[in-house]
Amino acid sequence: AQKVTQAQTEISVVEKEDVTLDCVYETRDTTYYLFWYKQPPSGELVFLIRRNSFDEQNEISGRYSWNFQKSTSSFNFTITASQVVDSAVYFCALSEKEMWGAQKLVFGQGTRLTINP
Amino acid sequence: EAGVAQSPRYKIIEKRQSVAFWCNPISGHATLYWYQQILGQGPKLLIQFQNNGVVDDSQLPKDRFSAERLKGVDSTLKIQPAKLEDSAVYLCASSLASHRSSTDTQYFGPGTRLTVL
Repeated sequence: AQKVTQAQTEISVVEKEDVTLDCVYETRDTTYYLFWYKQPPSGELVFLIRRNSFDEQNEISGRYSWNFQKSTSSFNFTITASQVVDSAVYFCALSEKEMWGAQKLVFGQGTRLTINP
Repeated sequence: EAGVAQSPRYKIIEKRQSVAFWCNPISGHATLYWYQQILGQGPKLLIQFQNNGVVDDSQLPKDRFSAERLKGVDSTLKIQPAKLEDSAVYLCASSLASHRSSTDTQYFGPGTRLTVL
């Protein structure tokens, strides 16, 4: 069965600090997809990134970067020079590809990130 | 491009009452999902539609929950009768999910926050 674990329930840092959110997953499939979503106080889940299991290249997008390591089944998310606007709950999710393209997401418990000015 | 629309944003009812939520997906998106997010947890999939057909409703409590997507566009999720433990945010998501697509991303609406008293 698929499972996603985000061991950090809450993280609080001071603005401009770097912060890493951990995500560990379990799956028996060789083809799968990993996602990160951001949920600000407004409640809407905002898509951040999708990574497939065959692409272990790390990715950087502005202040955000993601480190995917199949050997440890981890897909960690780092925010560099954090800002108050980064305060939100962040979810890691896993999906195995369905035959017709759609994906069934299994979410972790989420990490509440608070950036203090 | 308009995002996923949901209404109402908030609903307060007493236990044993009925309630319905509405979702309008992104135009052209074939797949529609309903998730339940209990406070402090990640979203959990309730039901998944491909056009107007149900693909997965294995986690839908069918004795009280029902959902439909009659014309393959917007969808309604109903709870009848509601219980205290149904208090949660109900999120709707949609995705393109074409059989020709090797990847797929779900986009979420703002959710409906249900409080059952």
